[in-house]
Amino acid sequence: DVKVTQSSRYLVKRTGEKVFLECVQDMDHENMFWYRQDPGLGLRLIYFSYDVKMKEKGDIPEGYSVSREKKERFSLILESASTNQTSMYLCASSPPTGTGRERVFGPGTRLTVT
Amino acid sequence: GQQLNQSPQSMFIQEGEDVSMNCTSSSIFNTWLWYKQEPGEGPVLLIALYKAGELTSNGRLTAQFGITRKDSFLNISASIPSDVGIYFCAGLPPQGAQKLVFGQGTRLTINP
Repeated sequence: DVKVTQSSRYLVKRTGEKVFLECVQDMDHENMFWYRQDPGLGLRLIYFSYDVKMKEKGDIPEGYSVSREKKERFSLILESASTNQTSMYLCASSPPTGTGRERVFGPGTRLTVT
Repeated sequence: GQQLNQSPQSMFIQEGEDVSMNCTSSSIFNTWLWYKQEPGEGPVLLIALYKAGELTSNGRLTAQFGITRKDSFLNISASIPSDVGIYFCAGLPPQGAQKLVFGQGTRLTINP
């Protein structure tokens, strides 16, 4: 069964901490994505990567950075966590081309910043 | 950026009722996707639509790609308790490469 896994399902961090959210996929997909999910706002794209060491900003990159050192792993970094970054974070992966239906999502990490 | 307006935002229905939700946009899309997200899980694809006017079914689910390419709807017939969750529409714009645009989601609650 193909999978996208995220390192933590729940995470509680303090304001100002540096936070790492890890995502791993086993489908050899070139594309990987980080989304933020908030009630009433749907899924908003933070960053995506189309190859190792390549990244592009999504719609809401402010306050976040990413790292992709290996094809299967895509990390989201909050350099200095703030309370307005409390949210559900979803990782996804997909092959480089296609119709969109190939995108596979991870189970999500619910981050609370206090 | 592009936006999708999904409605309703929430629905409270009785088991056995039919459900209808839709997404509209001011922009055209080449593909419409409908996802379901259950508590504690990521979204899972239900239906994909590729052509204007296309009507596709998946069991009790039916979705249509609007003829103007700016809207789509999802119907669920004879709802059952396991239909509970959040339903998202998503559109793939012509120039968007892999940049899916998501609706705000419809939270479905079913009273048995």
